[in-house]
Amino acid sequence: DVKVTQSSRYLVKRTGEKVFLECVQDMDHENMFWYRQDPGLGLRLIYFSYDVKMKEKGDIPEGYSVSREKKERFSLILESASTNQTSMYLCASSLAPGTVFNQPQHFGDGTRLSIL
Amino acid sequence: GEDVEQSLFLSVREGDSSVINCTYTDSSSTYLYWYKQEPGAGLQLLTYIFSNMDMKQDQRLTVLLNKKDKHLSLRIADTQTGDSAIYFCAESPGPYGGATNKLIFGTGTLLAVQP
Repeated sequence: DVKVTQSSRYLVKRTGEKVFLECVQDMDHENMFWYRQDPGLGLRLIYFSYDVKMKEKGDIPEGYSVSREKKERFSLILESASTNQTSMYLCASSLAPGTVFNQPQHFGDGTRLSIL
Repeated sequence: GEDVEQSLFLSVREGDSSVINCTYTDSSSTYLYWYKQEPGAGLQLLTYIFSNMDMKQDQRLTVLLNKKDKHLSLRIADTQTGDSAIYFCAESPGPYGGATNKLIFGTGTLLAVQP
């Protein structure tokens, strides 16, 4: 079974702090994703990565950055946390399509982040 | 632009069938997915359908796809209290979602099952 592990289930930080959210997958997946989930808005893609050191902006990248130094680990960074970044953050991973095109995303359990 | 729409809430009685609906916009989407999210957890892949299929059945789950209307539905037979969760529809835009396999998610439908 694919396992996607997010380092914290709950996190409380203060406005202006630099915040790191970590995600690790154990299935040698090429693609990794960071979403935020807010009531009534569903999941919105922040950033994704399709290879080590490669990244692309998603739909809402402002205020965030990411790091992918190793294939199994994808970090989301809030450079200077603000209260409007209070949310549930979900990490996912998938294989690249390659010759088998259906490669669903597998999700971690999420990190509920509160910025005070 | 790309958009996936779902109703926000559905309430059913235990033992009844539930039907959760979804509309999407990208006619080139190759795969469409249903994910389930239980309280406090991440998303769990329930089932998916390839765009050249009209229907897929998997135990209590039936997925119907109307490609002409870009309408997807998930039917849960004999709904149980353990089915209470948020259900997300997702499309893989463009041929095979492109190299990055991006997904576009709907807003989610909260299914409440009354005993």
